[in-house]
Amino acid sequence: AQTVTQSQPEMSVQEAETVTLSCTYDTSESNYYLFWYKQPPSRQMILVIRQEAYKQQNATENRFSVNFQKAAKSFSLKISDSQLGDTAMYFCAFIRGGSQGNLIFGKGTKLSVKP
Amino acid sequence: DVKVTQSSRYLVKRTGEKVFLECVQDMDHENMFWYRQDPGLGLRLIYFSYDVKMKEKGDIPEGYSVSREKKERFSLILESASTNQTSMYLCASSRRRGANTEAFFGQGTRLTVV
Repeated sequence: AQTVTQSQPEMSVQEAETVTLSCTYDTSESNYYLFWYKQPPSRQMILVIRQEAYKQQNATENRFSVNFQKAAKSFSLKISDSQLGDTAMYFCAFIRGGSQGNLIFGKGTKLSVKP
Repeated sequence: DVKVTQSSRYLVKRTGEKVFLECVQDMDHENMFWYRQDPGLGLRLIYFSYDVKMKEKGDIPEGYSVSREKKERFSLILESASTNQTSMYLCASSRRRGANTEAFFGQGTRLTVV
């Protein structure tokens, strides 16, 4: 069975600084995808970034980037130039390639950006 | 703008009541999901559906059932609500083809069972 582990229940960062959220996963699959989702307070969950396991290049979306270490089964999210609007719960998620679309989520990291 | 809409933002029900949580998406997505979100536990899958009238159990289906009579609508049913079902419920949808497709979420229904 696949599992996703986020070891940091809560983190905080000063505005304009950089923060890294950790995620590890366990799977025997070779074809899979990884995601980071963001859930702002009282707002809908949205996709931040995604990574295909067969791609060695780390995904980047503006201030958000990942460090994907396939051998170590690690998928961390780096947020550069943190903004107050980045305050949210962040969930790491995994899906097997070819599956119907059933995401497996970690327990989440609550990030607070302080002014 | 793509949307997944859940019928209620907040709901208070009594123990033993039958509860219906409704979810509608306007993206013609094949897949629809119901998750339960609890502090410290993350999101846990209750049921999902990949087609009309099709359903699959997730990790925690006990005490719940679902209905998908139309492609755009996926209902979660609590047959006899209990206090341990007090939680945030999230609906999501996604395209069937391509496991890397984005899942879109509703705003959530915070259910309190008293």
